[in-house]
Amino acid sequence: DTGVSQDPRHKITKRGQNVTFRCDPISEHNRLYWYRQTLGQGPEFLTYFQNEAQLEKSRLLSDRFSAERPKGSFSTLEIQRTEQGDSAMYLCASSSTRTSGRLYNEQFFGPGTRLTVL
Amino acid sequence: GENVEQHPSTLSVQEGDSAVIKCTYSDSASNYFPWYKQELGKRPQLIIDIRSNVGEKKDQRIAVTLNKTAKHFSLHITETQPEDSAVYFCAAGPILTGGGNKLTFGTGTQLKVEL
Repeated sequence: DTGVSQDPRHKITKRGQNVTFRCDPISEHNRLYWYRQTLGQGPEFLTYFQNEAQLEKSRLLSDRFSAERPKGSFSTLEIQRTEQGDSAMYLCASSSTRTSGRLYNEQFFGPGTRLTVL
Repeated sequence: GENVEQHPSTLSVQEGDSAVIKCTYSDSASNYFPWYKQELGKRPQLIIDIRSNVGEKKDQRIAVTLNKTAKHFSLHITETQPEDSAVYFCAAGPILTGGGNKLTFGTGTQLKVEL
C-alpha cells in the first residue's frame, strides 16, 4: 500500500498520560498536514509541514501538543498530559507541491488514529 | 480565519434522483474548494475540486459550482446510486505559495440513497 499510513490505529489512554502518533506520508510528498476530527464534525486543521519545517500551527493546538517531521519524511504528533477533551480521530494527510496528475492540490488522507482518553 | 458552513446536515434521496449540497465560506482569500467523501470508518477521499478562476466543473455524475461573489459553492450528484451513501465534506482555503493548501472543512452532510 503506497498511501498515507498512520500508527497506531487506535489508542486508549488514561487522563494525564502522554501519547505519540506516527504518520508516514506518500513517498516524496513534501507537505504533511495534521487534522483532528470529532464525531459528526469535519476535520479541523492543526498544523502542517513543508519538508521538515513546521510552517503553521492552529490556535487549536495548545502547548500540550507538539508535532515534528525531523527528516522531512514521517511525522509524529505528541500530546502531553492528555485530557478527555482530546478524544478524537487524528488524521494525517500529505500532498505534493510538484505538479503531477490532474489533482495538483489534492491532500491524501491516512486512516487516522482514534484516541480515547479515559 | 476561514469559516465554512454546510447544508443540509442530512439528505435522503431516492435512487436515481439528484442530490445537492451547499456550502458558504467567509474568507475572500480562499481560492481552492475541494469536496471529500467519507464512508463510515474510512478516510476522507477527494471526489472533485474547483479553483476560484472556474465557475463550474463536472466529472461524470458529479459537478461543483462556485459563485465567488456570493462566496458559496455547491456539489451536485446526478443519478444517485446506493454506493453514493456517505458523509460529504466541503472545504475551502488558500492555495499556498509553492502549492498545497490549508483547508477549513464544513460540518458534513450525511447522504443516504434509498432503493
